[in-house]
Amino acid sequence: QVQLQESGPGLVKPSETLSLTCAVSGYSISSGYYWGWIRQPPGKGLEWIGSIYHSGSTYYNPSLKSRVTISVDTSKNQFSLKLSSVTAADTAVYYCARHVAGTIFFDYWGQGTLVTVSS
Amino acid sequence: QSVLTQPPSVSAAPGQKVTISCSGSSSNIGNNYVSWYQQLPGTAPKLLIYDNNKRPSGIPDRFSGSKSGTSATLGITGLQTGDEADYYCGTWDSSLSANYVFGTGTKVTVL
Repeated sequence: QVQLQESGPGLVKPSETLSLTCAVSGYSISSGYYWGWIRQPPGKGLEWIGSIYHSGSTYYNPSLKSRVTISVDTSKNQFSLKLSSVTAADTAVYYCARHVAGTIFFDYWGQGTLVTVSS
Repeated sequence: QSVLTQPPSVSAAPGQKVTISCSGSSSNIGNNYVSWYQQLPGTAPKLLIYDNNKRPSGIPDRFSGSKSGTSATLGITGLQTGDEADYYCGTWDSSLSANYVFGTGTKVTVL
């Protein structure tokens, strides 16, 4: 059974960089699929942030692209998110998820982690 | 705001049927596959439908998906109290700002 687990600080100060990691178990990232990040501000809808392939190929939401970096560490079977220059608008539950290339649907999700941006 | 529009809420009695629409355009739904997700309160989204109308293993056939033109529809028959949740559609948007987009979300209430 594929499982994903997000981890990282729950509180980040404005203008600093948000950093999260998603540990994958039950499946080797190197075997394929894309691995993505999605966020959900409190009481609002879902927003795709970006995705990465095991080779390191990435693609990002254009609205966040200038501030986002997603990387992968196949040796640890995990991938990471960095979002720079955060503001209160970046406060959200952040989910990691696996998705298929091509038709793109997210079949496995982490439980999510709340990140609050506040001084 | 999202480029995929869903009704904010729908409701029905137990055992009844509800449908949720997802309206987009030729740059998203019109030329790409649609998936649907169920988000129970306080939990992560769960894949219900992919490739417009396919169900992952373990998803009951009470849930169905369809697509016509630039709109997609999720149907839930035999409504149960456990179906009370938020539902989101999602697809790739091939416009100049290529992007994966989710719908605005629909709250299903079982009366």
